Amino acid sequence: EAQVTQNPRYLITVTGKKLTVTCSQNMNHEYMSWYRQDPGLGLRQIYYSMNVEVTDKGDVPEGYKVSRKEKRNFPLILESPSPNQTSLYFCASSPGGGNQPQHFGDGTRLSIL
Amino acid sequence: GESVGLHLPTLSVQEGDNSIINCAYSNSASDYFIWYKQESGKGPQFIIDIRSNMDKRQGQRVTVLLNKTVKHLSLQIAATQPGDSAVYFCAENTGGFKTIFGAGTRLFVKA
Repeated sequence: EAQVTQNPRYLITVTGKKLTVTCSQNMNHEYMSWYRQDPGLGLRQIYYSMNVEVTDKGDVPEGYKVSRKEKRNFPLILESPSPNQTSLYFCASSPGGGNQPQHFGDGTRLSIL
Repeated sequence: GESVGLHLPTLSVQEGDNSIINCAYSNSASDYFIWYKQESGKGPQFIIDIRSNMDKRQGQRVTVLLNKTVKHLSLQIAATQPGDSAVYFCAENTGGFKTIFGAGTRLFVKA
């Protein structure tokens, strides 16, 4: 089954404790992206990747890092999480870019205390 | 499920009626537009898309209209069903890179 898989689905942690949210897709897609979703704000793009070793900032990259060492995986790293990063996070992928339909994972709810 | 849109614009329609959801986009250089549907506890799902060289595109029960003059996008759902109840997002993309989402509209379908 074609899918984007995020882990964990839920996480409660404390300020400053490094965490990684994993994202994996099994569709051999070149483009992958991370979004955060906050009430009333829609989805805001954090980072995107056009291909292996090619990443770029979205609209809200501050406090986040990503890596794309292999095509299927695109982890989101919070080196020193803060309460304002409490949010619902989505990973997405598409075959060739943001100008094609993106397939989304089911989301990761992060709570930073 | 996840509560992701506590203060969204809301559209309430009777089952069987047509629904029209509107969206204003921000960048006149955007060349790709897409509508997503998000149900509670799930990620957004693709509904329909349109490129800037078109002004209308039809799918199954859905139609997207693009007015580049006023930077406006709309989604029309024919014969709305209870299963159409969800949050709907428009999104724009320029050159295949960044994607910008609208804030979303919640659609309620009354049986």
